[in-house]
Amino acid sequence: NAGVTQTPKFRVLKTGQSMTLLCAQDMNHEYMYWYRQDPGMGLRLIHYSVGEGTTAKGEVPDGYNVSRLKKQNFLLGLESAAPSQTSVYFCASSLFRDRVGIWSPLHFGNGTRLTVT
Amino acid sequence: EDKVVQSPLSLVVHEGDTVTLNCSYEVTNFRSLLWYKQEKKAPTFLFMLTSSGIEKKSGRLSSILDKKELFSILNITATQTGDSAVYLCAVEARTSYDKVIFGPGTSLSVIP
Repeated sequence: NAGVTQTPKFRVLKTGQSMTLLCAQDMNHEYMYWYRQDPGMGLRLIHYSVGEGTTAKGEVPDGYNVSRLKKQNFLLGLESAAPSQTSVYFCASSLFRDRVGIWSPLHFGNGTRLTVT
Repeated sequence: EDKVVQSPLSLVVHEGDTVTLNCSYEVTNFRSLLWYKQEKKAPTFLFMLTSSGIEKKSGRLSSILDKKELFSILNITATQTGDSAVYLCAVEARTSYDKVIFGPGTSLSVIP
């Protein structure tokens, strides 16, 4: 029962470096999300996807890009990392949420702790 | 602006105590209120509440929603050290993508 798997678990970057965070889910969920969690601020949505090949901006998208080439994978990219992007990043997935009578909670991965120096 | 506020932000209790965690919200097009438990890593789902006054219960945990006053409480009775975690309150709004707004969380520590 893998659920939602995130890699890597930890990463340290220097300012200006780039990296990609990987998220994979094996539950055949349509919706996938990337959140960041900072002390005192809760989880904030960066980008989300409602299906393969589609992505959209959340609350705090600046400095990040995403891709959903396959239904099971959702990638988060940082093109030029900044210290303000030091955070814990969580990927989540869920079933179709718009259909009447169908609902599922968000299933989260275990997070990626990113430090940008 | 949509927001979710939780109080207290942190709490330390002794085993066996009963605790009440609070969540208030201001959200346009409210759909449901959610409670999650986060122990070190991934948040895990506890409850979804959509109707006022109907208590949801799971073991020693229970929760209720007041849609008129825009708040919810999460009660934990006879606390155990395993209840130590951050409890996240979130609200779903009816938008194009079922927006979920999270509160900052309440950090609960249960000491023996």
